[in-house]
Amino acid sequence: NAGVTQTPKFRILKIGQSMTLQCTQDMNHNYMYWYRQDPGMGLKLIYYSVGAGITDKGEVPNGYNVSRSTTEDFPLRLELAAPSQTSVYFCASSFRTGADTQYFGPGTRLTVL
Amino acid sequence: TQLLEQSPQFLSIQEGENLTVYCNSSSVFSSLQWYRQEPGEGPVLLVTVVTGGEVKKLKRLTFQFGDARKDSSLHITAAQTGDTGLYLCAGARNSGNTPLVFGKGTRLSVIA
Repeated sequence: NAGVTQTPKFRILKIGQSMTLQCTQDMNHNYMYWYRQDPGMGLKLIYYSVGAGITDKGEVPNGYNVSRSTTEDFPLRLELAAPSQTSVYFCASSFRTGADTQYFGPGTRLTVL
Repeated sequence: TQLLEQSPQFLSIQEGENLTVYCNSSSVFSSLQWYRQEPGEGPVLLVTVVTGGEVKKLKRLTFQFGDARKDSSLHITAAQTGDTGLYLCAGARNSGNTPLVFGKGTRLSVIA
């Protein structure tokens, strides 16, 4: 199993550009999550999904959109990138929520200039 | 308002020393997890504690869940340079599909 994979690993965007961060898991997990981690900080939840076709907002959803058309994939879309979106983005998955282990991808480091 | 407060925020110690980091809340959690994150990587689960008063050991790491399930601690004995990283606690609340709540983390640096 590859676990949770994310692409790209690094990206530089100009203000106002858009991009999609890809996330795929091969563990047949129902739950998937997107977090951002700012320098020296913990994780902030952007969006999460409890299954294909179902998504919900987390703590910091503004400026982002998600979709979940399959169990495996959970892309994160940035529209009109802003410098405040410079961060490291982590995708994670779990079989259930609550006490279940969250498995994280390696992250995407995004810089908006 | 941060639901889970971790302290200290930063810790730098010599190899061989002992240390304890804390994760506190005014809320009750059904379970609490500890993750370690190394530079350039995603967090990796170390342990899950589910019962008030529970103590779990993982080699030199000892994890405790408070009796009231509002707090937890992580004690490392004889720290090694390989223990360096960001330690995150995350709490699960009882209600349905609610995702984990993460603390801001304790950044540990163990110096040889």
